[in-house]
Parts: sequence; C-alpha cells; structure tokens
Amino acid sequence: EVQLVESGGGLAQPGGSLRLSCAASGFIFSSYAMTWVRQAPGKGLEWVSAISDSGLSMYYADSVKGRFIISRDNSKKTLSLQMNSLRADDTAIYYCARVLTYYGSGSWPWGQGTLVTVSS
Amino acid sequence: QSALTQPRSVSGSPGQSVTISCTGTSSDVGGHNYVSWYQKHPGKAPKLLICDVSTRPSGVPDRFSGSKSGNTASLTISGLQAEDEADYYCCSYAGTNTLVVFGGGTKLTVL
Repeated sequence: EVQLVESGGGLAQPGGSLRLSCAASGFIFSSYAMTWVRQAPGKGLEWVSAISDSGLSMYYADSVKGRFIISRDNSKKTLSLQMNSLRADDTAIYYCARVLTYYGSGSWPWGQGTLVTVSS
Repeated sequence: QSALTQPRSVSGSPGQSVTISCTGTSSDVGGHNYVSWYQKHPGKAPKLLICDVSTRPSGVPDRFSGSKSGNTASLTISGLQAEDEADYYCCSYAGTNTLVVFGGGTKLTVL
C-alpha cells in the first residue's frame, strides 16, 4: 500500500524550531518529487515547499523562505522539514504528499497531517 | 489573498450539477496543463480528484470532471450526492520562483 506518515508536530514557542518527518512506504521513494502543504486553522491549503526526486532541487514559498529547510533521505525513504524561527502564523496542520508527475499537476497520496502549534 | 481565485461557496441539490471556477494568469493556470483539483473534508487529508487539468486518477468517480479555457480552470461535479459536501481547491504550477499556488477554496453545500 502506498502510504505517507508524518510525525514531529507539536507545540513550539515563537522563534523556536521543530523538525517534521514523513515516512514513505509502498513505492520507489527516490523516483518521486515530494512536497509539503499546510492548512492553518480556518484557512485554505497553502503550498510550503517541494524537493526533487534526487534532492538536488528545493523550492519554498515566500512565507517560509529562509526559515524552513526541506530535505530527503532516499535510503531511508524519509522526507523532512526543518522549521526554524517559527511564528504564530506557522500554526497549521502540515501534510506531506508525493508529486505524481510535475509540481502542481497532482499529488497523491497525502499523509494524515501533523499539527504544529506556535504559541508562548 | 490567494494566487488563484475561486468562488467562496457554491451549492446545488442532489442530482444536479455544479461548476467551480479557478481563475489565474498566463503565468500559472493559462501557461501550461499542470492544474489539479482536491476535495477536502474536515479533519481529513486532501483527496486528489483531477490531475493535469482533466485526468481522473483511478478510483475517482466520473461524476468529477475538469477542464480549462485560457486562464480559468473548472471542476464540474454532476449528479451531486450528499457526500460531495466539502471544500474544493484548485492548484497550479506557477513557474520556478513561486512553483505552486492554490486557490482559496470553495465550500460546496448540497442542499
């Protein structure tokens, strides 16, 4: 079964850090680009970051550029998102997803999401 | 303000059809065929309905269809069912700087 499972969410203080992980199974992880998308409480979906299948190309939304770092370990079939300098408006459910063909063309599957709360 | 513009809400009765629009620019929706649509129920992960403008992934009912004209993409849901009540989001590739943009989402109410 093709599956993604996120972990690492929780409560962080403003200015603090958290590291999210996404464990993949059921497919050849190294053959697919991956992406992170978030949804703040009561808000819509927001694209956060993406990484190519090789890990050589990384992309970020302006809202997180310079604070978040996306990475992947193809040997461990794991995607990560290092979140630094966290702000209250980073509070959201974070989803990882597999990019089917090209960025924006469609992503499936999605993980169940992990909640990040930034508050003092 | 989202990069792609969707109506905040649409509604329809069971059995009817509804269409949700998604308007962008020539830099995103109008520039290529990397447009997708997602269904989101509260507390659940987004579900891919349409990829590459009009392709339905395996398992998605043919009641869901996608199309594009110029800078506007559309999702049509025919034969509305109660379980179709959800939020719907469009998504598009937007170039190497922005990469991906979502619409603001449309809440579908089945009357």
